[in-house]
This record gives sequence, structure tokens and C-alpha cells, in this order.
Amino acid sequence: GAVVSQHPSWVICKSGTSVKIECRSLDFQATTMFWYRQFPKQSLMLMATSNEGSKATYEQGVEKDKFLINHASLTLSTLTVTSAHPEDSSFYICSASSGKTRKRGYTFGSGTRLTVV
Amino acid sequence: ILNVEQSPQSLHVQEGDSTNFTCSFPSSNFYALHWYRWETAKSPEALFVMTLNGDEKKKGRISATLNTKEGYSYLYIKGSQPEDSATYLCAFTGDGSSNTGKLIFGQGTTLQVKP
Repeated sequence: GAVVSQHPSWVICKSGTSVKIECRSLDFQATTMFWYRQFPKQSLMLMATSNEGSKATYEQGVEKDKFLINHASLTLSTLTVTSAHPEDSSFYICSASSGKTRKRGYTFGSGTRLTVV
Repeated sequence: ILNVEQSPQSLHVQEGDSTNFTCSFPSSNFYALHWYRWETAKSPEALFVMTLNGDEKKKGRISATLNTKEGYSYLYIKGSQPEDSATYLCAFTGDGSSNTGKLIFGQGTTLQVKP
């Protein structure tokens, strides 16, 4: 079945540094990837939609200069949290469509736990 | 603001018990309703994608129903097993988002099945 590999699973970084999270579709081409964030006891919230070869579309309230998304190929999308601060500590997860979303749903990565100290 | 609510938030049952939980979503501008099963430290796994009012879908001991007119979906697990322990998420797509594929998630129902 379709697999999305997300790395790293967890990361601790110092305040002011940048962190890059990668999502790779292993056995299918993902024209669209979605990036979500989840704070404790809250639901997954969509941050942005990333289309291969074009600029990402950000949800209201998500700073595009802080959360840089690159989707340069059909199998790789990256999210870079720039100048991270403790309030950016959260769980980040990506998902992708393998083309038959109405039947199969989306394929998710396993998520990245970011802690900014 | 589109809201998706799941209840209960958590559930503890004994092995062999049958259980069900609810997802409520906006009844207007419906496009699709997704159910995902999310085990700790793993990726959410798609269970069902439901699009038609009255839809009933089944996968082994798990089944789901859909009522788009009143805006709810039920997920049923028959004869729960310890391996069913997970968080079950539902997610709604409105017809305004049918091209973008944007999902609005509920908070999930966490199920613990005791042996």
C-alpha cells in the first residue's frame, strides 16, 4: 500500500534555530501534500497545502515566512520551522493523496514531535 | 467556522465488548467524511471514506454509517480486541474543499480495550 515516510520522529532544538521536517512518498507520486499541526488535547489542524512545483497555500493564521514549505518533487515535501520558539513546540504531521482519495483516504506520515527549548 | 465533534473523548471497554462512537459535522455543503485509526507512534490509517447519505461501510469487525442530512456518522466495533486500542479520528471535507482535499478533523475518540 501507499507509504509516506516522515523524518525525524522527534527533534529538540534551541530557541532561534531552524528545523527541517521531511515527508517522502515511497511508492507513489504525491502531487499534493498537506501539513498539519496538533497541540495537546486538540485536533489536527491544517497548516498548509503544498503542490509540487508551486507555492504552498497557507491556512489563515499560519505565518508563511515562519513555516517554509518546499515541494520540489513528486515524492518529497519539506517543512522548515524557522527561528523556532517554545510556542512552536508541537506535533507536526504530513499527509498525501495517492490519487484515489475518495476511495482510500489520505496516506499519513508518522509525525514529528518538535520541542523548542 | 466549521466544527467537527467526536464523542466520547475516551472509552475503556473489556475485550469482547462491542462499542460505538459518534462524529458530528456540518450538514450543509457536505462532500466526504473520513474515518482514520491512529495507533500510538504509528501513522493514521484510513478506515473509510464515506460520501453518500445512508452509506454503510464495513471492514472486518469495524463498520460505519453516515447521515449527511443530520450531520453525523457512527463507528461501530464488534467484539473489541486489545489490538483495536487506538485513537479513532473522523474528518470532514466540505464541497467547497473538494478540489483542495482539505480535511477538518475532530479531536478523536481514544479507545482502550482491556484483555
